[in-house]
Amino acid sequence: DSGVTQTPKHLITATGQRVTLRCSPRSGDLSVYWYQQSLDQGLQFLIQYYNGEERAKGNILERFSAQQFPDLHSELNLSSLELGDSALYFCASSPGPNNEKLFFGSGTQLSVL
Amino acid sequence: GENVEQHPSTLSVQEGDSAVIKCTYSDSASNYFPWYKQELGKRPQLIIDIRSNVGEKKDQRIAVTLNKTAKHFSLHITETQPEDSAVYFCAASRSGGSYIPTFGRGTSLIVHP
Repeated sequence: DSGVTQTPKHLITATGQRVTLRCSPRSGDLSVYWYQQSLDQGLQFLIQYYNGEERAKGNILERFSAQQFPDLHSELNLSSLELGDSALYFCASSPGPNNEKLFFGSGTQLSVL
Repeated sequence: GENVEQHPSTLSVQEGDSAVIKCTYSDSASNYFPWYKQELGKRPQLIIDIRSNVGEKKDQRIAVTLNKTAKHFSLHITETQPEDSAVYFCAASRSGGSYIPTFGRGTSLIVHP
């Protein structure tokens, strides 16, 4: 167990809907990263937060947004969902803003029907 | 930004053989290179990492080598076992400043008993 908690584990929804994925980092970790994993696409970086502030942004769609709360948990909001958004979404945490070792959660499997 | 190429995409070996996975990176400023193992249906987990001031690092049956001049690094697994079967991801990053871990697309290693 990495200590990173993601909920829910599975999410099934319809096109056009909005969902929220939640992540609690390891105790003491200040950085949270969100990654999207699709078939044959590897791990695509979406966004990073450090101590409540956005620190780095990857190829995150405008329909997606995220935030990190004062208690350091993070939420990834996906709206106007499309079939192509179906993927496994991982959250990872690390102790500092530039710490290299990432600890991944179990992921949320999103299925858009 | 950084671009990481990983080869092969699939690697099939017999138990006891060695396996080698290779990655190249584009940003000469990258100085940290981790490898993650993702077993089927599970989260990626860090198995070994190397920094740019080191040419080789070994941990039991796994080793990583780095050639900074050529901008490539490799994962070596000796005496493979069926439990080594998984998807392996390489990554490249730069410690300090804005940090975005960039992953390769993964290698599916299959070890046949």
